[in-house]
Amino acid sequence: AQKVTQAQTEISVVEKEDVTLDCVYETRDTTYYLFWYKQPPSGELVFLIRRNSFDEQNEISGRYSWNFQKSTSSFNFTITASQVVDSAVYFCALSEGGGAQKLVFGQGTRLTINP
Amino acid sequence: DAGVIQSPRHEVTEMGQEVTLRCKPISGHNSLFWYRQTMMRGLELLIYFNNNVPIDDSGMPEDRFSAKMPNASFSTLKIQPSEPRDSAVYFCASTFRSGTNQPQHFGDGTRLSIL
Repeated sequence: AQKVTQAQTEISVVEKEDVTLDCVYETRDTTYYLFWYKQPPSGELVFLIRRNSFDEQNEISGRYSWNFQKSTSSFNFTITASQVVDSAVYFCALSEGGGAQKLVFGQGTRLTINP
Repeated sequence: DAGVIQSPRHEVTEMGQEVTLRCKPISGHNSLFWYRQTMMRGLELLIYFNNNVPIDDSGMPEDRFSAKMPNASFSTLKIQPSEPRDSAVYFCASTFRSGTNQPQHFGDGTRLSIL
């Protein structure tokens, strides 16, 4: 069975600090996909990144970076030089390969960036 | 390009009433998903369709819930009769089904309150 665990329920930091959001997953499939979504206070869900199980390269997009490690079943998300606009709930999600695309979400991490 | 469109954005109704939530997926997408978000259970998949055909409805909580997709550009989620415990945010998402699990794009959600 698939499972995603985001152990950090809430994180609060001061603006410009770096912050890492943890995500640990469980799956029996060898082909799977990992995602991060952002849910700002306005409530919509915004797609941030997708990673497949065969690509362990880290990815950087501006102040955002992702570290995928199959050895520890983790897909962590780091925000560098955080800003108040980064305040949101962040969800990690997993879907197994083979065309089935249902997403299993973690419980989310509420990130608050204080000015 | 228009994203996933959900209506209504907010719905407040009394227990026992029928509720119909609507979704228009992104044009060209052939998979559609209904999710429910609550504080207790987080984001959970209710049902999804591929090419207008329901594939997995194991997440539908009970017979009071039903979903249809009469064509590629429209889906409904119906609750009849509604109960206070159905209060939640309901999200619709769509994607193009391929072998590489493309990201799902979410609508803004319908915030449902059953009194």
